[in-house]
Amino acid sequence: EDQVTQSPEALRLQEGESSSLNCSYTVSGLRGLFWYRQDPGKGPEFLFTLYSAGEEKEKERLKATLTKKESFLHITAPKPEDSATYLCAVQAYSGNTPLVFGKGTRLSVIA
Amino acid sequence: GAVVSQHPSRVICKSGTSVKIECRSLDFQATTMFWYRQFPKKSLMLMATSNEGSKATYEQGVEKDKFLINHASLTLSTLTVTSAHPEDSSFYICSARAGAWSVLAGGTDTQYFGPGTRLTVL
Repeated sequence: EDQVTQSPEALRLQEGESSSLNCSYTVSGLRGLFWYRQDPGKGPEFLFTLYSAGEEKEKERLKATLTKKESFLHITAPKPEDSATYLCAVQAYSGNTPLVFGKGTRLSVIA
Repeated sequence: GAVVSQHPSRVICKSGTSVKIECRSLDFQATTMFWYRQFPKKSLMLMATSNEGSKATYEQGVEKDKFLINHASLTLSTLTVTSAHPEDSSFYICSARAGAWSVLAGGTDTQYFGPGTRLTVL
């Protein structure tokens, strides 16, 4: 069974304090690993897709990396507006399968 | 970027009435759309997967006669909550995935989400 585990569940950072969120996964053939950001009362906003181990993608203060077992979302010098829940999801390579989501990491950045 | 819209964003209804929620992909064709439900401070719970022109596939425990899904075109899917009751109150989110052609064209098969619909049943 495909599974995604995110850690920590919640993370509180001071503004400017860099850190990483972890997403461990087991999947029967990885088609893609996805990172989303979700603000309260809104739908998830797409951030990154990673397809193969060693791949990295960056967007502003965020950088996502991928290995064969896990992905990291690095946040460099975060700002209060980066506060949100970050969701990781995987899609298996077998057909048009839905995403398997982790439970998310709730990030709070304090000014 | 790809945009998915939902309408309405918020609806309040009386117990026993039916509510329809629309999900549209605005700038791409979605061969597959997904409907999720989310409880406060919980992760997304997949309800069903719908492919254009065919019947939806429901997840275990989701009543297909209660939650009617129609994927009538490549840009529109609807979720109808029939005979709604207070326990159906929740945040409903749709998402859309472009077809395989977009991968071949250099695109991705990323799933894009709508902004969600807050349903409150009195």
